[in-house]
Amino acid sequence: NAGVTQTPKFQVLKTGQSMTLQCAQDMNHEYMSWYRQDPGMGLRLIHYSVGAGITDQGEVPNGYNVSRSTTEDFPLRLLSAAPSQTSVYFCASSPAGEGYGYTFGSGTRLTVV
Amino acid sequence: GESVGLHLPTLSVQEGDNSIINCAYSNSASDYFIWYKQESGKGPQFIIDIRSNMDKRQGQRVTVLLNKTVKHLSLQIAATQPGDSAVYFCAENSGGSNYKLTFGKGTLLTVNP
Repeated sequence: NAGVTQTPKFQVLKTGQSMTLQCAQDMNHEYMSWYRQDPGMGLRLIHYSVGAGITDQGEVPNGYNVSRSTTEDFPLRLLSAAPSQTSVYFCASSPAGEGYGYTFGSGTRLTVV
Repeated sequence: GESVGLHLPTLSVQEGDNSIINCAYSNSASDYFIWYKQESGKGPQFIIDIRSNMDKRQGQRVTVLLNKTVKHLSLQIAATQPGDSAVYFCAENSGGSNYKLTFGKGTLLTVNP
């Protein structure tokens, strides 16, 4: 049981490049989310999913796309990277329903130059 | 305690002392709250949670207090140890939505040996 696995752990992109951050969980959790964390700030929700085939926007969705074709995977795509997207990205998953906390991955540190 | 400013609030305690970390949450419709611990370079780790029908919940060396009247949450850590040094975040289910969490800005706890 690996929990929530994120790849890569580190990435440097040039402005305008695109890439996909991978997230997989093996706990059969219905809910999955992507957050970004910037220095001195808490985590901000980018996109979330309540099940396969269902996604929605969070607080800061601009510049990012997601899809949820399976329960296990929830990739985050940066369409055209910008320096403002330099951040640490966390994926998290949770069982559906009340009273469950999210389990977080170890993060991807992304730098856009 | 946590604030809306750009600087991370800090709390410095001596090993063996009790620590109290405070959090003001934003949405009166939120009914589930979680404290997370984040060590340097790692993802947030679930510590303890509480539902709005409770005002206190205890775990191992940790206690969470909830005051719904003033929308305030606190985390008490007994006999604080150097391994407790980390950033602590409170989170609320956004207006009662179990699939979305809103995080506070975090408090940096430093435990001096």
